[in-house]
Amino acid sequence: NAGVTQTPKFQVLKTGQSMTLQCAQDMNHEYMSWYRQDPGMGLRLIHYSVGAGITDQGEVPNGYNVSRSTTEDFPLRLLSAAPSQTSVYFCASSRLGGPQETQYFGPGTRLLVL
Amino acid sequence: RKEVEQDPGPFNVPEGATVAFNCTYSNSASQSFFWYRQDCRKEPKLLMSVYSSGNEDGRFTAQLNRASQYISLLIRDSKLSDSATYLCVAQRGAAGNKLTFGGGTRVLVKP
Repeated sequence: NAGVTQTPKFQVLKTGQSMTLQCAQDMNHEYMSWYRQDPGMGLRLIHYSVGAGITDQGEVPNGYNVSRSTTEDFPLRLLSAAPSQTSVYFCASSRLGGPQETQYFGPGTRLLVL
Repeated sequence: RKEVEQDPGPFNVPEGATVAFNCTYSNSASQSFFWYRQDCRKEPKLLMSVYSSGNEDGRFTAQLNRASQYISLLIRDSKLSDSATYLCVAQRGAAGNKLTFGGGTRVLVKP
C-alpha cells in the first residue's frame, strides 16, 4: 500500500498561472480532502469529497476547484495563482465509518507563488 | 477567537523529563478529539484519540475536560524522538469535514 500520494512535492508559480495538485490513495477510502497549512494557522479545509462524483466546499475554498471522478483520485486545481496561495497543501483520506476514523495524510506539496 | 487554540511553544524539555500541554476548544458541539503528531516538513500522523475517561498509550496520556472545554497531552520520560509539533483536533460530526485543527504545540526534547 502506497497510502496517500501527492505530486508534485514542490512547485513555484507566477501570479496568474494555473496548476493542478495531484492526490491519489489506494486504500479504497470514500472520504478525501484538501487542506492548506500556514504558519500558526493550523490546517484549514479547502474542499472535500465523500465519494466519486460528490464534492463540497470547506472553510477556505475560494480560488480552488476539485473534482472526484474516481474513488482513488482527488486533484486540486488552482485557477489563477495568487501570492496568498503560497502554502503547504496536504491531501487526506479516510473511511466514512464514523468520528473515530483516522485521517491519513499525503506528504504534502509546498507551493510558492511569486 | 480560533475554534481550537494551542500554545505554540516551543516547550524545551530535558530528555527523560515530563511535559504536558493543553488545547482549548470553543465549540461545545465538538464530540471527538485527537492528537496528531507532525514532524518538521512532514505530514500529520495520528498519535492518539482522546476519550472522555482519559486514555494512555505507552508514555503518552491524553485527558478530556468537557466542562472546561480543554484536552491535554502528557508525555513521560521524554525521548529525543518526541521532538515534533503536536496538533490538537476537534471533531463535531461523524464525517472528516467536521475536523478543526489547532495551530500546534512545538516540543523540543534536548539531551
